[in-house]
Amino acid sequence: EAGVAQSPRYKIIEKRQSVAFWCNPISGHATLYWYQQILGQGPKLLIQFQNNGVVDDSQLPKDRFSAERLKGVDSTLKIQPAKLEDSAVYLCASSSSDGVDGYTFGSGTRLTVV
Amino acid sequence: GESVGLHLPTLSVQEGDNSIINCAYSNSASDYFIWYKQESGKGPQFIIDIRSNMDKRQGQRVTVLLNKTVKHLSLQIAATQPGDSAVYFCAESRRDDKIIFGKGTRLHILP
Repeated sequence: EAGVAQSPRYKIIEKRQSVAFWCNPISGHATLYWYQQILGQGPKLLIQFQNNGVVDDSQLPKDRFSAERLKGVDSTLKIQPAKLEDSAVYLCASSSSDGVDGYTFGSGTRLTVV
Repeated sequence: GESVGLHLPTLSVQEGDNSIINCAYSNSASDYFIWYKQESGKGPQFIIDIRSNMDKRQGQRVTVLLNKTVKHLSLQIAATQPGDSAVYFCAESRRDDKIIFGKGTRLHILP
């Protein structure tokens, strides 16, 4: 079974620039999550999708972060404009519609804002 | 609010010894707990889980203990090997909803 795919693996941008990350979840997984992991900390949930609908985006800084999952499969997370404190690893995870079964993480995108 | 935290940021263990990593949680409504292992450059990898109706669960070389009275979770790794070097996170979920992480413990294996 293929895992959760993310791209790019690494990205370096200057502050105030824009950046986008892509995630392809495990086939058949209805729920998709984006996490932000700052160095030395645990992953922090940013947004949760169920199919193409947002279930929870309470921790998403909506003034600069946006995410979509238009067809209920792939998802993109965008930051515009980026700040230095956005430097982190952005992890995507997916799980089955029955709950947290098979909750699986991708390898993440490491973002450095300079 | 909810929080899941770990007692120690770093743990050093002699190769071959047993490792014990501890975690305290504050939300008594949590009913599902998971331990993840994260190696450098990789996403968190599932190790073992336990539901709140259990107090112990064993896997291959790993055991999770849950003490709901004091809201404490531990991960025991038997006969620690160099490949066990990683950051370990405890995480919680309520009613099979999203998983919330704590800060992590880095496990160092001494030769």
